[in-house]
Amino acid sequence: QQQVKQSPQSLIVQKGGISIINCAYENTAFDYFPWYQQFPGKGPALLIAIRPDVSEKKEGRFTISFNKSAKQFSLHIMDSQPGDSATYFCAASMRNNAGNMLTFGGGTRLMVKP
Amino acid sequence: DVKVTQSSRYLVKRTGEKVFLECVQDMDHENMFWYRQDPGLGLRLIYFSYDVKMKEKGDIPEGYSVSREKKERFSLILESASTNQTSMYLCASSRTVNGNYGYTFGSGTRLTVV
Repeated sequence: QQQVKQSPQSLIVQKGGISIINCAYENTAFDYFPWYQQFPGKGPALLIAIRPDVSEKKEGRFTISFNKSAKQFSLHIMDSQPGDSATYFCAASMRNNAGNMLTFGGGTRLMVKP
Repeated sequence: DVKVTQSSRYLVKRTGEKVFLECVQDMDHENMFWYRQDPGLGLRLIYFSYDVKMKEKGDIPEGYSVSREKKERFSLILESASTNQTSMYLCASSRTVNGNYGYTFGSGTRLTVV
């Protein structure tokens, strides 16, 4: 069964600190790894995504690190802000998957304290 | 601005009622999905569709059905609503092309069954 395991379930970080969320996957056919950010009462929104041909992708304060041999990827939020408080989901998908279905991790609830 | 629109933000229904949740996307996406989100359980796939009139069961299809008569519209039907179907329901869509497989989510419908 395809699975993506995400940790931790919840995270509290001080303002200005680094938030790190980790995901691990089993299926080596996965070739697309997005992260979604969800604020309370809203649907998840695509935050940043990476493909396995690169080891890191950075967009502003958000960075994905990808370790293909370990089948792990992580989201780093630098200089975390109270406005980053949200639930974060990692996901994985692959080509030729009917409907390009994403397999989601269980989610991480991030709280950034002022 | 491209979007996925869910017809209701909040819905209260009685046990045993037949409930329709509507989702419309304006991006000409081939794929559409219905998820439910519950605290501690992440996103669970109910049904998805990769073409008009096509549907596939997800992880938790029991008690639900779907309809996709037009490309832009994907409806979730609760045949006989029960209290354990009280949840946040999220619709999403995506394209079937090599490249960005990311989903676009709607804002969600919070359904309460009493």
